[in-house]
Amino acid sequence: GAGVSQSPSNKVTEKGKDVELRCDPISGHTALYWYRQSLGQGLEFLIYFQGNSAPDKSGLPSDRFSAERTGGSVSTLTIQRTQQEDSAVYLCASSLGGGLEPYEQYFGPGTRLTVT
Amino acid sequence: KNEVEQSPQNLTAQEGEFITINCSYSVGISALHWLQQHPGGGIVSLFMLSSGKKKHGRLIATINIQEKHSSLHITASHPRDSAVYICAAFRNQFYFGTGTSLTVIP
Repeated sequence: GAGVSQSPSNKVTEKGKDVELRCDPISGHTALYWYRQSLGQGLEFLIYFQGNSAPDKSGLPSDRFSAERTGGSVSTLTIQRTQQEDSAVYLCASSLGGGLEPYEQYFGPGTRLTVT
Repeated sequence: KNEVEQSPQNLTAQEGEFITINCSYSVGISALHWLQQHPGGGIVSLFMLSSGKKKHGRLIATINIQEKHSSLHITASHPRDSAVYICAAFRNQFYFGTGTSLTVIP
């Protein structure tokens, strides 16, 4: 079946512009996670959704970052007034469950964001 | 201080060798994940553990909850196992190790 998809695959934007990244999870997966990986760095947790709600937003690096999920499916991660330090690969993953329940995660291919 | 520590950071092995990657964590967790990131960047979840031991093919993962330690073993390593292996502890959010870069030489 279809895996996790993300769009766009690559995004180049000018500093100060807003960007929106999209994640389509595997159908039926209730949990959705956003991560980012800066060049040469490890994975950084941003936020996760259980259904449409986000129990933990503490990983978002600043108030320029926001995320929403509607209908328990598609999620968008929005970065306002982008800065060069926002350049990274943004990864999305989904799982059958989440939160305190241990479920395997399935990762999307990522969106490579470059802020010039 | 990182909540999750991995060792070694880099590992080079000859094809066929038995490989162990270690992960220690300081937070109480509900699950621990082992991830594999290929050179092209794609990430695959290998194991999700909350206790005991799991085996999939040549890969084995163990966890000791009391000692807050997990290990990933690769038996009969192969060049296609070359990748970065990442340990991630989950407690309300994910805490990631910095990864172990494995290179298996033919």
